[in-house]
Amino acid sequence: RKEVEQDPGPFNVPEGATVAFNCTYSNSASQSFFWYRQDCRKEPKLLMSVYSSGNEDGRFTAQLNRASQYISLLIRDSKLSDSATYLCAVTTGGFKTIFGAGTRLFVKA
Amino acid sequence: GAGVSQSPRYKVAKRGQDVALRCDPISGHVSLFWYQQALGQGPEFLTYFQNEAQLDKSGLPSDRFFAERPEGSVSTLKIQRTQQEDSAVYLCASSLKVETSSGNEQFFGPGTRLTVL
Repeated sequence: RKEVEQDPGPFNVPEGATVAFNCTYSNSASQSFFWYRQDCRKEPKLLMSVYSSGNEDGRFTAQLNRASQYISLLIRDSKLSDSATYLCAVTTGGFKTIFGAGTRLFVKA
Repeated sequence: GAGVSQSPRYKVAKRGQDVALRCDPISGHVSLFWYQQALGQGPEFLTYFQNEAQLDKSGLPSDRFFAERPEGSVSTLKIQRTQQEDSAVYLCASSLKVETSSGNEQFFGPGTRLTVL
């Protein structure tokens, strides 16, 4: 079993839709949690850190459930420009970051 | 200011050749990471430096892989006797502080796409 697992995708949604991504992690000692966005043939860029209390940034909402060891990302009112791969990442031991395989999102007009 | 830069951006090697990949982190960043990303996968952790000290190399796939950061800034990832399975994008990232926590973002370079024939 992989340390960090994500929905396999791809997700194909129309503009304006709400889409949710889930990610589970196996190491209960994990300390920090992140969502990254990666465009095709580009480097990953941090989208959001994920806090225990949950956090929101515009159309994006991230949640952490430590008891069940999963994190989620909700995108409301999807835009064409949201089309990308979304990677969840989990850090253990202060610096070692483990990424999921990513979930590809296609938003269509 | 300048972000993380990597060179070369593309490298084609014949099987058995040695390659060296360079990473210039953001000036002043203490932490430096190397990742390997295969097609359709997320980045896989290779190694971590805190300044010039290599604190974790548990992700290096074999002893053909070697990384260094002798002066605590520029880092080089060397792969000896390349194999076809080494073909991947090699990403470097740096962060300002020591611990990867919320607020201590990793900034990625554009990567080096290595193809081994």
